[in-house]
Amino acid sequence: KNEVEQSPQNLTAQEGEFITINCSYSVGISALHWLQQHPGGGIVSLFMLSSGKKKHGRLIATINIQEKHSSLHITASHPRDSAVYICAVSDKIIFGKGTRLHILP
Amino acid sequence: GAVVSQHPSRVICKSGTSVKIECRSLDFQATTMFWYRQFPKQSLMLMATSNEGSKATYEQGVEKDKFLINHASLTLSTLTVTSAHPEDSSFYICSANDMGYEQYFGPGTRLTVT
Repeated sequence: KNEVEQSPQNLTAQEGEFITINCSYSVGISALHWLQQHPGGGIVSLFMLSSGKKKHGRLIATINIQEKHSSLHITASHPRDSAVYICAVSDKIIFGKGTRLHILP
Repeated sequence: GAVVSQHPSRVICKSGTSVKIECRSLDFQATTMFWYRQFPKQSLMLMATSNEGSKATYEQGVEKDKFLINHASLTLSTLTVTSAHPEDSSFYICSANDMGYEQYFGPGTRLTVT
């Protein structure tokens, strides 16, 4: 069993839909990261959180330390949100396998 | 916020040559930097942990003589892929720790070996 599990692996949605990507982990962590990887490969750090909730524009990330679970939400999704979203946990960084999101216009 | 840069963002080299990738922390000092590799359609995998002023710690299965890591200052770590082969073609990413628990990722470098 992977130490960091993401779901779903692939997600296709219509523009405007509310998107949720989930991440569960089985190890102790100091922080959890959400990363965005575009088709060209470039990585963008979206959030780093150790408790509670963070919001940046249309993106919201939450974490429940007791349940070892985090969610990334995208409100009013747009085709430009299409990318692979990766959950990672630290101290020693362990990555999830990513969620490939495709937003249809 | 803290920024980590990588240079180059893309590089193409011929088989047998060496290529150096730089990872810089732009506005903080990083005693520890990490190097990761991502093969197509696979997850990012930790290659090595780079500590300023000391030898890097390599993960199992990563050849230390092939992937040379130097962390000569608190803001710069370099990864040199020596005698590159096509199977080394990959996406290489670094991250830097700002002496706390904060971890910042670079944008990545795509290496293509022809």
